[in-house]
Amino acid sequence: DSGVTQTPKHLITATGQRVTLRCSPRSGDLSVYWYQQSLDQGLQFLIQYYNGEERAKGNILERFSAQQFPDLHSELNLSSLELGDSALYFCASSVGGSGDVDTQYFGPGTRLTVL
Amino acid sequence: AQRVTQPEKLLSVFKGAPVELKCNYSYSGSPELFWYVQYSRQRLQLLLRHISRESIKGFTADLNKGETSFHLKKPFAQEEDSAMYYCPPRAGANNLFFGTGTRLTVIP
Repeated sequence: DSGVTQTPKHLITATGQRVTLRCSPRSGDLSVYWYQQSLDQGLQFLIQYYNGEERAKGNILERFSAQQFPDLHSELNLSSLELGDSALYFCASSVGGSGDVDTQYFGPGTRLTVL
Repeated sequence: AQRVTQPEKLLSVFKGAPVELKCNYSYSGSPELFWYVQYSRQRLQLLLRHISRESIKGFTADLNKGETSFHLKKPFAQEEDSAMYYCPPRAGANNLFFGTGTRLTVIP
């Protein structure tokens, strides 16, 4: 599958814990985006990386951080988890990072449940 | 500030009836607007973008700058159109601001 992949598919953890979500972009894509989807907030943009560097920040909490590695995969780290962090976390990738708008290709998401 | 409003969280129409999913935007500068769709158990995917002025799966969307709207329309809804629809405007770089979306249900 040459599309965007995310692991794990499901994650169940307890409050106060820390988890790492992983995303591998499509082959050739340099940008990675992270989104959080919850019932009440809808789909919210968290952060974007382009070729290893942070490009833009959205509604990302300070307890959350992300990075993009030299092989272009990205990780989203969520710490001091709260019940309200339970959501579906999507990763998307696109070819470029700015200028003309690229189509974003989404992964299947990671469902995080905080108990 | 860039903002998009999809006033209907839920929309139900009968098969064969026309459907219109509303999207109103508040955007400084020239907007670049899209419709993304998420079918059940599938990934979120681009449906169409206003600069392409294309029709995808029978859907069209026209940018109305006077009304600041980008409504998605289809003359005859099909059951397979049931999905979540998002209308995110671009906001700098390549960021898209999604909202709560509209869940369309086409009743057989």
